[in-house]
Parts: sequence; structure tokens; C-alpha cells
Amino acid sequence: AQSVTQPDIHITVSEGASLELRCNYSYGATPYLFWYVQSPGQGLQLLLKYFSGDTLVQGIKGFEAEFKRSQSSFNLRKPSVHWSDAAEYFCAWGSNYKLTFGKGTLLTVNP
Amino acid sequence: EAGVVQSPRYKIIEKKQPVAFWCNPISGHNTLYWYRQNLGQGPELLIRYENEEAVDDSQLPKDRFSAERLKGVDSTLKIQPAELGDSAVYLCASSSPPGNTEAFFGQGTRLTVV
Repeated sequence: AQSVTQPDIHITVSEGASLELRCNYSYGATPYLFWYVQSPGQGLQLLLKYFSGDTLVQGIKGFEAEFKRSQSSFNLRKPSVHWSDAAEYFCAWGSNYKLTFGKGTLLTVNP
Repeated sequence: EAGVVQSPRYKIIEKKQPVAFWCNPISGHNTLYWYRQNLGQGPELLIRYENEEAVDDSQLPKDRFSAERLKGVDSTLKIQPAELGDSAVYLCASSSPPGNTEAFFGQGTRLTVV
């Protein structure tokens, strides 16, 4: 069955440090891939998406992600983390008119 | 432009009681989704509507869950009777055009069944 895996349940970084959140998918064809962020008590906000074309996609809030077919990965990156980035991040794969989410990675930002 | 609106934000009920959640999607979005997010998990699809038609309800526990979208705009999700395991966040999302999997989410309803 198709699935999305986020290997890291919880990551802690210092403010100003770089960030990379991992996402792997299992699906044969080129998937539609998304990253969402969820702040406490809030719904999901779309950070960025990949459908086709350039494998490096830019999103909101300074985030970017790179699609690597050879590694079945779609990792999220940010060069310098801000305290306001503390939240839970979900990678999702879109197919058959629905989204399949990973279990999420909780990001803690230390001052 | 208003986003997806859900109410209530929080609900606490005793087990075996009924509960209903309401969702108003983004104006013009024909596709509406209900997702359930258990603690520590990602959201999982319960049902998808295209206009007023439920086109994918394969993951909806039909013995106790029901949903409707009578006029193809707002939607209601109901649980009757609620069980302890139904405690979760219920998220509504919408998208357009049909087939576009990029969904916009509401803030969710956090249900606690005691």
C-alpha cells in the first residue's frame, strides 16, 4: 500500500540554525507531494507543493523542499529557523482525490 | 476571502451521546473533505463530497457516523452514539477544481468523549 513516512517524531533545533525534516513515500508513479504545518490548536496550513517540473520547490515562510525520485524523498528545509516555526509538520501525498499524511514531526525551537 | 470555517472549536460529551460538527468551505469550492486526526497522528480521510454527492465514504464508520451536504455548500458530520475512541480532532477541508488534491483546512473541532 502507498504510504508516507516521516522518520523523525520530534526534532529540536536552536533558533537561527538550519532545519531539514525528512519525508519518504512509497508509490510507483510521480506523486503529488505536500508539506503542511500545524500550530497548536490550529488547522493545517499548506507550506508548499510539488506536482511536476522543477524538483526544488519554494514555499511560504522561507521553506523549500526537494523532490528526489531516486530516494523517494521530499525533504523540507529552511536555512535559518525562527522561534515562530515551532509547530508540527506533516508531509502528505495526494492521489485518488485525497491526501495521505505521514504521522508528523514535532519541531521545537530553542532560544 | 474567508477560509474554511468550522464549529464548534471544542466539544466535550459523555459517551453514548450524539454530537455534530459543522463546516462551511471556501466559497466556490465544490470538493469538501472530512478528516479525523487522532492524537499523535496525521489526518485520515473520512469522507469526500463533490458538490452534494458523497463520492468516497469508504473510511466512514457507517454504523455511527453520518454526514450530509444537502445544498452542496456547508456540511455536517454527526456521530451517534459517541464512543471513547472517537476523541480526536475533526478537520474539514475544501478544494477546487475537482481532482485537485491541494486542500485548504479549517481549524478543526476537538472532540473529547468522557
